[in-house]
Amino acid sequence: GDSVTQMEGPVTLSEEAFLTINCTYTATGYPSLFWYVQYPGEGLQLLLKATKADDKGSNKGFEATYRKETTSFHLEKGSVQVSDSAVYFCALRPHKAAGNKLTFGGGTRVLVKP
Amino acid sequence: EAGVTQSPTHLIKTRGQQVTLRCSPISGHTSVYWYQQALGLGLQFLLWYDEGEERNRGNFPPRFSGRQFPNYSSELNVNALELEDSALYLCASSLNIVGRGTPAKNIQYFGAGTRLSVL
Repeated sequence: GDSVTQMEGPVTLSEEAFLTINCTYTATGYPSLFWYVQYPGEGLQLLLKATKADDKGSNKGFEATYRKETTSFHLEKGSVQVSDSAVYFCALRPHKAAGNKLTFGGGTRVLVKP
Repeated sequence: EAGVTQSPTHLIKTRGQQVTLRCSPISGHTSVYWYQQALGLGLQFLLWYDEGEERNRGNFPPRFSGRQFPNYSSELNVNALELEDSALYLCASSLNIVGRGTPAKNIQYFGAGTRLSVL
């Protein structure tokens, strides 16, 4: 079945540091890939997405590129802020439209210190 | 435009009781999804409803059930609560456009969740 693996946290960074969160997946065909963010005490917010190979999703300074050859969708941000402290989830949705359920990675907690 | 709304925000129940959680999707969305976020277990897919019908079900026992109403809102019911049912229950909604080149529009948007504590 489908699966998503992302690096375990917590990841602790200083403000303005570079952030990378690794995400790899297992799925048949060409799934859509997502990064969601969960701020303390809140639900999930869509951060960015990519629906086909070599697509780059970007939002709020975050970027991730859909790499079919390495089955990866790593999240990066060049200069983090304290407000980026949150839990980040990588997720996939199967290629077939009928398989709408999202499969999530375990989440990576990021803590940015001033 | 209002996002996905869930009620209640918090709930405390005792083992063996029954609970109903509610979700209102974004206007225009016909699909509603339920996920469980239990401590240490990540996010697990529970149920998917579209146009009033259950389309897919995750690996959960039958005491987890739900329904979708004609206005596309949804309820999640959990019977015979167990301690391990304590979790954040997240509802999401999306369009459900089926056809070539349309899966990109079926993005799921999440509510803030209902935190259920079973004592």
